[in-house]
Amino acid sequence: SQELEQSPQSLIVQEGKNLTINCTSSKTLYGLYWYKQKYGEGLIFLMMLQKGGEEKSHEKITAKLDEKKQQSSLHITASQPSHAGIYLCGADRGSEKLVFGKGMKLTVNP
Amino acid sequence: EPEVTQTPSHQVTQMGQEVILRCVPISNHLYFYWYRQILGQKVEFLVSFYNNEISEKSEIFDDQFSVERPDGSNFTLKIRSTKLEDSAMYFCASSRDRYPTGELFFGEGSRLTVL
Repeated sequence: SQELEQSPQSLIVQEGKNLTINCTSSKTLYGLYWYKQKYGEGLIFLMMLQKGGEEKSHEKITAKLDEKKQQSSLHITASQPSHAGIYLCGADRGSEKLVFGKGMKLTVNP
Repeated sequence: EPEVTQTPSHQVTQMGQEVILRCVPISNHLYFYWYRQILGQKVEFLVSFYNNEISEKSEIFDDQFSVERPDGSNFTLKIRSTKLEDSAMYFCASSRDRYPTGELFFGEGSRLTVL
């Protein structure tokens, strides 16, 4: 079974549209990390959430962690082609490692 | 803006050869990590390193792998005798603080191809 499930698996949107992607854990998280990856490249840190109900924003991206700390959503407002890439969530379960989801591939059409 | 840098960006090697991947973590960071991503698969944890010793390692990190911080700036991953299945993108990461408070920054990766 998947420790971290990301949905949808992929998404194609028109430039200017809003979108939301989700990351769900079967276990309570100590923290949740969001990264963006261009195909074959490094992981770009977006945000880290630790507290239940926490919400953070950076430019047009907003991430939330639910009260139970088992689900996080990433919302992009007015998407642009520069938002295209693979969005990864990583779970902190209190050990030294992050456990990653499979990623969500976002395509933004001009 | 400080960043984690990795070299080489791409290395091609023959099966059985030794490979060393190098990383320069962000300068005031104290916790160092290696992750890998086989093409099309998830990013997987390999090892964490703090205070000059391994603090945690995964099942993947067997006796063929070793890590070292030879000086104050570099952090290396050595694969002693490479196998075909070691072909992957290897990512170095560093953080200033330990979990759960630490923001974790990754490098651009070193792509290893084993022939």
